[in-house]
Amino acid sequence: DTAVSQTPKYLVTQMGNDKSIKCEQNLGHDTMYWYKQDSKKFLKIMFSYNNKELIINETVPNRFSPKSPDKAHLNLHINSLELGDSAVYFCASSQAKAGGFYEQYFGPGTRLTVT
Amino acid sequence: SQQGEEDPQALSIQEGENATMNCSYKTSINNLQWYRQNSGRDLVHLILIRSNEREKHSGRLRVTLDTSKKSSSLLITASRAADTASYFCATAAHYNQGGKLIFGQGTELSVKP
Repeated sequence: DTAVSQTPKYLVTQMGNDKSIKCEQNLGHDTMYWYKQDSKKFLKIMFSYNNKELIINETVPNRFSPKSPDKAHLNLHINSLELGDSAVYFCASSQAKAGGFYEQYFGPGTRLTVT
Repeated sequence: SQQGEEDPQALSIQEGENATMNCSYKTSINNLQWYRQNSGRDLVHLILIRSNEREKHSGRLRVTLDTSKKSSSLLITASRAADTASYFCATAAHYNQGGKLIFGQGTELSVKP
């Protein structure tokens, strides 16, 4: 059973288009995240949701809109795609415990290529 | 920037040798974690060390944490070709910052058979 799954794995699209990436976790975690990994492998957090509530928004352009219909799903919609949006996007989940959040489980990533 | 820094950026060793990677960070933390990413891009959690711990072991992995110097090291003993991957340290902020991880730049480890 895949713990954190993302679809699609690869996404090639043209500038100006709108696209969505879906993420689902079956770990029962209450917190989910989106990260962006650039061509230099630098991983940076974009958003975090806890029990469907947005708790982190790291100054991401408002063309990016996350949506969490329930705590097992966190989708990412991107409007008006730009060349600079090309990257690998990772979804992750973790469980909040007393004193903090702990290890995160990552999905396989979605490689987005904007042409 | 709160980004962590890792050293070295790349490390090439022979099978059987030990590999040591270092990580420095800038802000106070709840815990520090190490992740591994293979060429297939799977990101896997390796080990977590809390801010009140100084050393932790897991199999062939040993992690140390020095909060006074804001630094950590990951030691992989008796390396194998299958250990070839990128290794990232990530710091977890305190609870009220939503559990976000701040990743270092990563160390690319190449283990030659």
